[in-house]
Amino acid sequence: EVQLVESGGGLVQPGGSLRLSCAASGFAFTDFWMHWVRQAPGRGLEWVSRIKTDGTYTTYVDSVKGRFTISRDNAKNKSYLQMDSLRAEDTAVYFCAGGDSGYLGAWGQGTLVTVSS
Amino acid sequence: EVVLAQSPGTLSLSPGEGATLSCRASQNVDRNFLAWYQQKPGQAPRLLIYHASSRATGIPDRFSGSGSGTDFTLTISRLEPEDFAVYYCQHYVTPVLSFGGGTRVEIK
Repeated sequence: EVQLVESGGGLVQPGGSLRLSCAASGFAFTDFWMHWVRQAPGRGLEWVSRIKTDGTYTTYVDSVKGRFTISRDNAKNKSYLQMDSLRAEDTAVYFCAGGDSGYLGAWGQGTLVTVSS
Repeated sequence: EVVLAQSPGTLSLSPGEGATLSCRASQNVDRNFLAWYQQKPGQAPRLLIYHASSRATGIPDRFSGSGSGTDFTLTISRLEPEDFAVYYCQHYVTPVLSFGGGTRVEIK
């Protein structure tokens, strides 16, 4: 069974940092691009970032460029999202997702990040 | 940047009726690189359709996708009780991906 489990969310002050992790199981991790998608409370989905199967290519939405870094460890079947200089508007549930370079066939249940003083 | 506009914002229908959801792109979506997702409250999204018209594994055939260029449609032929949810389109034609704002399908 394909499974993605996020961890690392929580409450952080504006300007702070947080590192999200996504543990994958039940599929060939090295065959999948990994993505992060977020959803602010009561709002729609926002794609955040993706990383290629071998970790050599990444892209980001403009609003997080220079502040967030996506990475992966294929030996551990994990993807990460390092979030620095956090702002109130980054408050959201963050979903880890896997799939093709573009469409997302597998999703985790999400982890809540709250940025507040 | 490709912006996706979904309409209507909310669709009020009864079980057994058909639903037609629209997704319009601000520029051409090459190779039909467009997907549709379903999301229920408190749950993660689920992939329904990719490449505009290909059903994902395990998706019932009452869900179908169509369209090309800048206009795409998700059709649900006969609504089942479990189909009442929010639906999002998403493109993957540029390095920066994006979702539409969503269409809520609610019980009339």
